[in-house]
Amino acid sequence: DVVMTQSPLSLSVTLGQPASISCGSSQSLVYRDGDTYLNWFHQRPGQSPRRLIYKVSIRDSGVPGRFSGSRSGTDFTLRISRVEAEDVGVYYCMQGTHWPWTFGQGTKVEIK
Amino acid sequence: QVQLQESGPGLVKPSQTLSLTCSVSGGSLSVGNFYWSWIRQPAGKGLEWIGRMSISEASDYNPSLKSRVSISADTSSHQFSLKLNSVTAADTAVYYCAKGDSGSGEVEDIWGQGILVTVSS
Repeated sequence: DVVMTQSPLSLSVTLGQPASISCGSSQSLVYRDGDTYLNWFHQRPGQSPRRLIYKVSIRDSGVPGRFSGSRSGTDFTLRISRVEAEDVGVYYCMQGTHWPWTFGQGTKVEIK
Repeated sequence: QVQLQESGPGLVKPSQTLSLTCSVSGGSLSVGNFYWSWIRQPAGKGLEWIGRMSISEASDYNPSLKSRVSISADTSSHQFSLKLNSVTAADTAVYYCAKGDSGSGEVEDIWGQGILVTVSS
């Protein structure tokens, strides 16, 4: 299985400040069609996960512009430009290139 | 707008079979190029993809569970189901059903609210 490794595992951020979460994959996530199926999900306490970003950097409909995704090789980053109170919860990266699809361990974001 | 709702027993005895159903409303199980999936999350832990199915392809299962799991659909009832055999306490988790794909962006990613299943005697 492809192992997705996130860091940090927890993050305490001041409102209005930026936050960054890293995710590394144990192998290339470039699929034979040339696309990279790396997704980011957000799970608020007591809720189901919600996808924020797909194919590394494309925001899902309704996702605020303060969320962005990027890649450097097999390392991926989710950035929140200015953290808001509703951004608390756990963020997961997930690869959809190789079966079984796998998630990172999760990064818990809280407000300082 | 498609909505998903999990249902089934919240308590299963060890060695028995866990059976869950996902009811699909607002859409069809048999139309579209995407997957119907089951994912689980033990309390306080991360997410594990159990398996996926589509109407046009055979089901795929996580190799870690493959010998114990099956996913099937009843299109006439707008439901798909999960069966996990020979359960142990390690199978205690919140189980989610979901509609989506690998993350192409061509399909909206939708999850049910989840159902807690506890394996205990």
